[in-house]
Amino acid sequence: DVKVTQSSRYLVKRTGEKVFLECVQDMDHENMFWYRQDPGLGLRLIYFSYDVKMKEKGDIPEGYSVSREKKERFSLILESASTNQTSMYLCASSLRGQLEETQYFGPGTRLLVL
Amino acid sequence: SQQGEEDPQALSIQEGENATMNCSYKTSINNLQWYRQNSGRGLVHLILIRSNEREKHSGRLRVTLDTSKKSSSLLITASRAADTASYFCATVVGNDYKLSFGAGTTVTVRA
Repeated sequence: DVKVTQSSRYLVKRTGEKVFLECVQDMDHENMFWYRQDPGLGLRLIYFSYDVKMKEKGDIPEGYSVSREKKERFSLILESASTNQTSMYLCASSLRGQLEETQYFGPGTRLLVL
Repeated sequence: SQQGEEDPQALSIQEGENATMNCSYKTSINNLQWYRQNSGRGLVHLILIRSNEREKHSGRLRVTLDTSKKSSSLLITASRAADTASYFCATVVGNDYKLSFGAGTTVTVRA
């Protein structure tokens, strides 16, 4: 079974802090994704990566950056946290090579920025 | 930008009844997927239907796809309390591995 883990289930940070959210997958997937989920808006893609050291912007990248130094790990960075970044953050991974790829999700990190 | 839109936003049914939810999307797709999310958890993949398929079954799930209307439906038969969750449709567009999700349908199954 694919396992995607996220470093924290709940996180409370202060405005202006630098925040790191870590995601690790154990199935050698090439693709990794970061989403945020807000009520009524569904999942919105922040950044994704198709390979190590590679990243591409999703639909809402502003205020975020990412790092992928190793294939299994994809980090989301909030350079200077703001209250409007309070949200549920979901990481996912998938195999590359087929368009019929399902994504495997981690349990999510609920971030509160005060 | 969001591609899919689910309807209804929320659904409450009695255990044993069927639940039907719909997804409409805007542009041509390669495939459409349905995911389930239990409260406060990550999403779990349920079923994928390709653009050249019209209907697919998996256990108590039945998915239909009408590409002429750009819509899909998910039917859960003989619902159980454990089916209480949010259900999302997601589409793959073009030669892209990204998924575009709708806002979801929240299903509550009453015992």
